[in-house]
Amino acid sequence: DAGVIQSPRHEVTEMGQEVTLRCKPISGHNSLFWYRQTMMRGLELLIYFNNNVPIDDSGMPEDRFSAKMPNASFSTLKIQPSEPRDSAVYFCASSFHFRDRGAGNTIYFGEGSWLTVV
Amino acid sequence: DAKTTQPNSMESNEEEPVHLPCNHSTISGTDYIHWYRQLPSQGPEYVIHGLTSNVNNRMASLAIAEDRKSSTLILHRATLRDAAVYYCILRDFSSGGYQKVTFGIGTKLQVIP
Repeated sequence: DAGVIQSPRHEVTEMGQEVTLRCKPISGHNSLFWYRQTMMRGLELLIYFNNNVPIDDSGMPEDRFSAKMPNASFSTLKIQPSEPRDSAVYFCASSFHFRDRGAGNTIYFGEGSWLTVV
Repeated sequence: DAKTTQPNSMESNEEEPVHLPCNHSTISGTDYIHWYRQLPSQGPEYVIHGLTSNVNNRMASLAIAEDRKSSTLILHRATLRDAAVYYCILRDFSSGGYQKVTFGIGTKLQVIP
């Protein structure tokens, strides 16, 4: 398996521009997570989906951020308009969540999208 | 979510054992303890997990206190490739529903040659 695939790997954009980050989870996984990582705040959960449905978006910073998962193999995180404080590494992760399987459910991360807003 | 507390950073000499502590005093009976690590410029990766008993795998060992309020990740012989940020997280599967998983800051491990 190719693992979780994210694109773009690196993006530099100007303040005010729209940014779209893309993610392809591991085939067969039913949970998908978007995280943001900065030096100050560490790894923060933005939103997670289960079976393509957004379950918890309480970590989404503000209305400028939106995420979609139109099908089991694709998700996007969009920032519109972007601001310099959005500069961070954005990770997508996926796992298989099985209700009664207590021990497993390893989360697999992509390599991240490094965003710089100038 | 039950929270975990870890030191911000630790140092170890190469080829010596490393004990990375994690406090989770509000852990519930259905919380599993998971450890992940993040190598430079990569996403986090799974290391090990446990519930009550100590666990061993090829990467590390996990020692869990009898009251489960703390745990220790043990790297038996640190190598330079073990230099990473280590995250201790709790995962509750009792709800049977959907899992919010937060990672926080973690412990940055430096390995000194």
